[in-house]
Amino acid sequence: QKEVEQNSGPLSVPEGAIASLNCTYSDRGSQSFFWYRQYSGKSPELIMFIYSNGDKEDGRFTAQLNKASQYVSLLIRDSQPSDSATYLCAVNRGKSTFGDGTTLTVKP
Amino acid sequence: DTEVTQTPKHLVMGMTNKKSLKCEQHMGHRAMYWYKQKAKKPPELMFVYSYEKLSINESVPSRFSPECPNSSLLNLHLHALQPEDSALYLCASSQEEGQAGANVLTFGAGSRLTVL
Repeated sequence: QKEVEQNSGPLSVPEGAIASLNCTYSDRGSQSFFWYRQYSGKSPELIMFIYSNGDKEDGRFTAQLNKASQYVSLLIRDSQPSDSATYLCAVNRGKSTFGDGTTLTVKP
Repeated sequence: DTEVTQTPKHLVMGMTNKKSLKCEQHMGHRAMYWYKQKAKKPPELMFVYSYEKLSINESVPSRFSPECPNSSLLNLHLHALQPEDSALYLCASSQEEGQAGANVLTFGAGSRLTVL
């Protein structure tokens, strides 16, 4: 079992729709959880981090954490073509471990 | 502009060459990292330098050797690399290693390495 698993992509949504990205992790001792966005040929950049159960909202982005289910998600509302990228879930227990990423395409 | 600066952006080297990748951060972060990323794969941690202590991913071959001259600089020395080492090498820093909520990674733009 991989330490961090993301829903297999690619994921395609129309402009203006909600994109839902999911991530599960195996280590119950994980303390903090991150979503990074990576455009093709670029380095990852932080979208959000969360470390308490529940929802955390930042603009069009909402991260959700359920430690009992070992599940993290990222919702992108009103998706834009500029959101097209690979989204990496990272889980930290001392060091960050990345999932394989989900590639999102937002079609105009 | 990123606050983590990596040089060079591109590097082509032969298998017998010795070269170095350089990374600098001016954010006062206490931890610095080297990651390797192959195409369509996630970043893989190679080394962590935190509080003057180096942690090594034991799967990283000895032809890669890190050096930390001071808390804002982290170099990666390359020697006798193989073509399969061709990848994007990412440097990152964080406020502290291992502290919940304080280990957001700030990545540099990366160094694209090609080994011929």
